[in-house]
Formats: sequence, C-alpha cells, structure tokens
Amino acid sequence: AQSVTQLGSHVSVSEGALVLLRCNYSSSVPPYLFWYVQYPNQGLQLLLKYTTGATLVKGINGFEAEFKKSETSFHLTKPSAHMSDAAEYFCALENSGGSNYKLTFGKGTLLTVNP
Amino acid sequence: DAGVIQSPRHEVTEMGQEVTLRCKPISGHNSLFWYRQTMMRGLELLIYFNNNVPIDDSGMPEDRFSAKMPNASFSTLKIQPSEPRDSAVYFCASSLEGSEQFFGPGTRLTVL
Repeated sequence: AQSVTQLGSHVSVSEGALVLLRCNYSSSVPPYLFWYVQYPNQGLQLLLKYTTGATLVKGINGFEAEFKKSETSFHLTKPSAHMSDAAEYFCALENSGGSNYKLTFGKGTLLTVNP
Repeated sequence: DAGVIQSPRHEVTEMGQEVTLRCKPISGHNSLFWYRQTMMRGLELLIYFNNNVPIDDSGMPEDRFSAKMPNASFSTLKIQPSEPRDSAVYFCASSLEGSEQFFGPGTRLTVL
C-alpha cells in the first residue's frame, strides 16, 4: 500500500528564513508526487509536481522540491519565507501509469511565519 | 473559468437529517473527486468518478453516504441520515485525465 508521511505537523520560521517541509513516501511503483497549499478557509492549490525527468522541481511562489528516490523523499523548500507563506501544506502521491488518478495525502504541515 | 464550484459553503443541520452537497467541476474535466477533511483523519478520498462513472468508492465510510454524477457538469454527495461525526469540510476536485486536481472551496458541514 502506498503512503505519505509528513514529518512535523507544525513548523515555525522567521520571515526571511529558510523553509523546509519534509515529506517521505512509500510506493511499490514509481510515484508522481505533489505539494499542495491550503490557505485558511480555502481549497487546496497545487504548488508543484514531479512526474518524470528532472528531479528538482520548481513551483509557484518561489517553492521547489527535490525527488530523491534513494531516500524516498520529496521535501519542499523555499530560501526565504514571507508572511504570505503561512498556510497548511500537503504532500501527495499518485501511482504512475494506468488510469488510477487517486491521490494519497499526508496529514499536512502547518507553516507559521513570524515577523 | 470559475473553477470548481461547491454549494452550499456552510451547512448546519441536526442529526438524522438528510444533507446534500453539490459540485460543479471545471468545464471539460472528466475526473471528479470527493474528499473529506477533519482534524483527526486529515484529507480522505471518499469517491472518484471518471467520465461520470464511479471508479472507486472504497473511501465512502458507510451506506449512509452516496454520490452521484448524472452528467459531466454536476455531482452530489448525500448523507442520510447525518450524524455528528460527519461534521467536516467536504471538498470536490476535478481534473482532466489525471492531470492536476483543482479543488473547490469546500463545504463546511456541522451536524448537531
């Protein structure tokens, strides 16, 4: 069975500091991996995704993530946090191939940015 | 495009009542997903449709839950009878052939 584990349900950083949100996955087939962001009282919005090819993926709002197969990880980073980055972030996995489009989500990480 | 539209945005009902949540996917999308989000369980996939056909409903918690997609532009999630433990935010999402899922704003359901 596939699964997604996000380490740390709550991460707090200072404005301008590095943001690192951790995601590890388990999958029996090559995965497609996603990061979504959820602002208060809103739906989820895609930040970035990895399917195939380049393992370093750049997304919106200055975020990027690196797929590391050997570590089964897909950590999300941003060099300098902004107050507007405060939100909940979800890592998700989809099995590649076939017509199964189901996403398996992690529990989420709430990012707080302090002034 | 207006994005995925969900109604109502908030619903407060009493235990035992029937609740119907509605979703209009993005025009042209052929996959539709219903999710439930709670503090305890996080984001759970309830059911998804492809070309209006239910493909996987293994996440539907009980027979009290049912979902339909009568056409490509409309889906409903019904809970009958509702219970307090059904209180959650329910999201609808749509996509085109497994590409990015676009989420609606959600319906916050409170069952008293």
